[in-house]
Amino acid sequence: KQEVTQIPAALSVPEGENLVLNCSFTDSAIYNLQWFRQDPGKGLTSLLLIQSSQREQTSGRLNASLDKSSGRSTLYIAASQPGDSATYLCAVNNFNKFYFGSGTKLNVKP
Amino acid sequence: NAGVTQTPKFRILKIGQSMTLQCTQDMNHNYMYWYRQDPGMGLKLIYYSVGAGITDKGEVPNGYNVSRSTTEDFPLRLELAAPSQTSVYFCASSYPPGSGDEQFFGPGTRLTVL
Repeated sequence: KQEVTQIPAALSVPEGENLVLNCSFTDSAIYNLQWFRQDPGKGLTSLLLIQSSQREQTSGRLNASLDKSSGRSTLYIAASQPGDSATYLCAVNNFNKFYFGSGTKLNVKP
Repeated sequence: NAGVTQTPKFRILKIGQSMTLQCTQDMNHNYMYWYRQDPGMGLKLIYYSVGAGITDKGEVPNGYNVSRSTTEDFPLRLELAAPSQTSVYFCASSYPPGSGDEQFFGPGTRLTVL
């Protein structure tokens, strides 16, 4: 059974810092991996999706990498802003079945 | 486009009551999913559907039922509500693998069973 772990569980940084969120998974036979943002009391907003054949994806200040063989993905956020404060979730797709990590709660202090 | 819509937003049930959570999407997605999210946790897949008339169990299906009579709608049924089903329920949809795999989520239904 696929297990997805996100480290750290919580992170507090001053505005302007670059930061890395980690996601690891136990079964490398994935179809793709998706990073989401969740604001308190809200649904999930898709940030980046990486196919299993890809190494990374970029969108603005966000860069996600995937190392399928080692079961790891990272989400890099450049020049963090207070508006980036939210919980970040990664989800792996094992061919129609999605497994989520518990998330990293990010707080960016002004 | 409204995207994925869910009703109701909030609901309180008594133990043993039944209810249906509604989910509708207007993006013509074949794939639809139901998840639950417990406090401080990630999402767990309850059921999913790859098209009208086809459903399958996810990681935590016990206590729930689904149906998919149309492409747009994917209701989730709770037959005998239990306190363990207190959670936030999310519906999502996507195109089939290889056709744009991004999942789109609804705003969620917050359910409390007392």
